Amino acid sequence: NAGVMQNPRHLVRRRGQEARLRCSPMKGHSHVYWYRQLPEEGLKFMVYLQKENIIDESGMPKERFSAEFPKEGPSILRIQQVVRGDSAAYFCASSPPGGKNSPLHFGNGTRLTVT
Amino acid sequence: AQSVTQLDSQVPVFEEAPVELRCNYSSSVSVYLFWYVQYPNQGLQLLLKYLSGSTLVKGINGFEAEFNKSQTSFHLRKPSVHISDTAEYFCAVSDQGRDDKIIFGKGTRLHILP
Repeated sequence: NAGVMQNPRHLVRRRGQEARLRCSPMKGHSHVYWYRQLPEEGLKFMVYLQKENIIDESGMPKERFSAEFPKEGPSILRIQQVVRGDSAAYFCASSPPGGKNSPLHFGNGTRLTVT
Repeated sequence: AQSVTQLDSQVPVFEEAPVELRCNYSSSVSVYLFWYVQYPNQGLQLLLKYLSGSTLVKGINGFEAEFNKSQTSFHLRKPSVHISDTAEYFCAVSDQGRDDKIIFGKGTRLHILP
């Protein structure tokens, strides 16, 4: 039973380019969360999605960032016109339909470097 | 809105010594509480969780945590640490009831000294 799969593991982009981060949740999981991790800052919540629905995007920057979780296929976190401050590790987590008392299962993250 | 405070960013401990990693939370409603561990270059793994019932929760790898509602704390403990426990530990909280995000603390890096 495959865990949460994130790809790519490492992504290098130049300033102004677009970054697309993919997350395939565990089989049977319909809830996906995206977090950003910076050194000394811990994990910052970005967005919580269910299939075809954004439930909570209160942690997403208002511009350049978007996320989707289509009916078919992986969840995508998209960052347009990247800047150096976007460099971080981005983690995806999934959980089954039972809600938040079901623990989150994390992927190994995508480390984005903006040059 | 809920929040989590992990008071120590780093904790050095000698091997086979006991350790306590502190976590305090704030919330206006009842909460679920979690501890996760992150090994280098990996995602987070669940150590233990408190949903309801007994306030002493036992997790994997010999860890346990105690929920103290009056002190709004959920400290993590292990009676004897091993070198393999070197990792970063995150406390997390979410509100009970409706769907809501899970909020993490800033993490505590556990250094095991030989």
